[in-house]
Amino acid sequence: AQTVTQSQPEMSVQEAETVTLSCTYDTSESDYYLFWYKQPPSRQMILVIRQEAYKQQNATENRFSVNFQKAAKSFSLKISDSQLGDAAMYFCAYRRSQGNLIFGKGTKLSVKP
Amino acid sequence: KAGVTQTPRYLIKTRGQQVTLSCSPISGHRSVSWYQQTPGQGLQFLFEYFSETQRNKGNFPGRFSGRQFSNSRSEMNVSTLELGDSALYLCASSPGVNEQFFGPGTRLTVL
Repeated sequence: AQTVTQSQPEMSVQEAETVTLSCTYDTSESDYYLFWYKQPPSRQMILVIRQEAYKQQNATENRFSVNFQKAAKSFSLKISDSQLGDAAMYFCAYRRSQGNLIFGKGTKLSVKP
Repeated sequence: KAGVTQTPRYLIKTRGQQVTLSCSPISGHRSVSWYQQTPGQGLQFLFEYFSETQRNKGNFPGRFSGRQFSNSRSEMNVSTLELGDSALYLCASSPGVNEQFFGPGTRLTVL
């Protein structure tokens, strides 16, 4: 069965600094997708970034980028120039083709002014 | 486009009752998935519907059921509520095999 592991329950970053959230996953599939979702106190799950496994190029969305290491089954999220609004729970998720999302336990990110 | 909507947003029930939650996907999305979020178990997949057919099902008891209508709106039903069913229930819609877009959730409290 596929699993997703986020080893950092909590992280803290100074405003304007850079932080990296870790995620590893386990799968025997070759065709799959990886995602980072953000859940602020409002509880609304917001898609931050996605990565297709067949793409070697790391995905980037403005201040958010990933480091996708397929062989190592690692998918970390880097947030640059952190802002107060980035404070939230961040969930790493895996989805095989036409499958459901499998989530990690989440990392709570705090941003210090 | 309007986002995923879920109703009601908050619900309080007592043990033994049943409840129905509703989800309207983003226009044009034919896939609707349901997830349960609790502090202890995290986010767990309940089921997915595509074109009115259940395509995937998670590991939940038969008390949890769902359906999808021809306009892609979906409902989930929980019968004989237990205290452990208290959770945030999230609905997500998808245009295909890639990302899922979530609604604001329904907070269910079972007393």
